[in-house]
Amino acid sequence: GAVVSQHPSRVICKSGTSVKIECRSLDFQATTMFWYRQFPKKSLMLMATSNEGSKATYEQGVEKDKFLINHASLTLSTLTVTSAHPEDSSFYICSARGLAGGSYNEQFFGPGTRLTVL
Amino acid sequence: AQRVTQPEKLLSVFKGAPVELKCNYSYSGSPELFWYVQYSRQRLQLLLRHISRESIKGFTADLNKGETSFHLKKPFAQEEDSAMYYCALGYNNNDMRFGAGTRLTVKP
Repeated sequence: GAVVSQHPSRVICKSGTSVKIECRSLDFQATTMFWYRQFPKKSLMLMATSNEGSKATYEQGVEKDKFLINHASLTLSTLTVTSAHPEDSSFYICSARGLAGGSYNEQFFGPGTRLTVL
Repeated sequence: AQRVTQPEKLLSVFKGAPVELKCNYSYSGSPELFWYVQYSRQRLQLLLRHISRESIKGFTADLNKGETSFHLKKPFAQEEDSAMYYCALGYNNNDMRFGAGTRLTVKP
């Protein structure tokens, strides 16, 4: 299957700093990428959907100025957590969907990034 | 509003026993349902989708529109089936909603 990578896998930062997380589709072109947040013992929460070359669509309640998403190419999307605070500590997961037939294409998930804000 | 409900957070069965992970959805349109699985220390991956009508690793799931359910079943559970299972609803051609997940433990 298609491979999606995330970098870094873990990051620890001080409160007030910004952190960038990269999501790459390694062997396919991802027309759409998704960013999720996973809380302990809870489900995946979709944060935003981004299509290559256009602005991301954020879910209700997600601050777009705090979670900046850029999808500049068909293989790379970045999530920047700006002015991070301890409550932003979480597991962030991206997924990518490529060019295929049908109304739905399978989402391929990255391994996730553990963010800890001190 | 679109909603996916997995009523069981934890499910434990013995090896060889049948297992059923429940999933109910709420959506007024035509849904597409998926089951994703996350094994320990691995990433989330697609297990099966209702449009494929396939059996993967012995698991099957049938979409019941009358009951708005998409329960995941396996007649004989194996220890390697222990994982986190997420039911997901696809809608509006681009969006997906995940359930809270069920952690399945298959005991020897």
